[in-house]
Amino acid sequence: AQSVTQLDSHVSVSEGTPVLLRCNYSSSYSPSLFWYVQHPNKGLQLLLKYTSAATLVKGINGFEAEFKKSETSFHLTKPSAHMSDAAEYFCASVTTKIIFGSGTRLSIRP
Amino acid sequence: DVKVTQSSRYLVKRTGEKVFLECVQDMDHENMFWYRQDPGLGLRLIYFSYDVKMKEKGDIPEGYSVSREKKERFSLILESASTNQTSMYLCASSESRGLGTVAYEQYFGPGTRLTVT
Repeated sequence: AQSVTQLDSHVSVSEGTPVLLRCNYSSSYSPSLFWYVQHPNKGLQLLLKYTSAATLVKGINGFEAEFKKSETSFHLTKPSAHMSDAAEYFCASVTTKIIFGSGTRLSIRP
Repeated sequence: DVKVTQSSRYLVKRTGEKVFLECVQDMDHENMFWYRQDPGLGLRLIYFSYDVKMKEKGDIPEGYSVSREKKERFSLILESASTNQTSMYLCASSESRGLGTVAYEQYFGPGTRLTVT
């Protein structure tokens, strides 16, 4: 069965420090994987996507994610957090259907 | 820019009312989707449509129906609203890569927060 697990419901970091949001997937087939961001009172916006090309994927706003098949992971990282990164982040897996994780709320401390 | 618009940002309805949520996209996308978003549960797919007049059930279709009479418009209908349908509803659209392909990059509307009292 296809599933997506976001390992942390809430992550809090200080401005200027690295961000790590964790996502593990389970799928019988090689999935396409996505990270979306949702700012308060807004719809979801695509940050980046993996579709079986390069395993290190760069997205918007300095985010990147690495596909690790052996670990069935697709963790999202950013070297230096900015206050504007505070939002909810969703990992999603697509094979024949799309499955979203439950979300990780990212807070940034000044 | 792709634009997906939803008819209302906030809606309050009474139990038993028939509720229509409207979604319009301007990118000529074949696929359109309705999700509900609840804290701790992420997004759950209610219905999707890959062509005019075509629809497929998602993971939680019970209590909902949909209508797609025109390519750009996808409506979600709550036949008889109940309090457990209080939620945020998100519409999305995407290109099609073939009949029935579900999703590549999806473009989302701002959401409708529905409260059923």
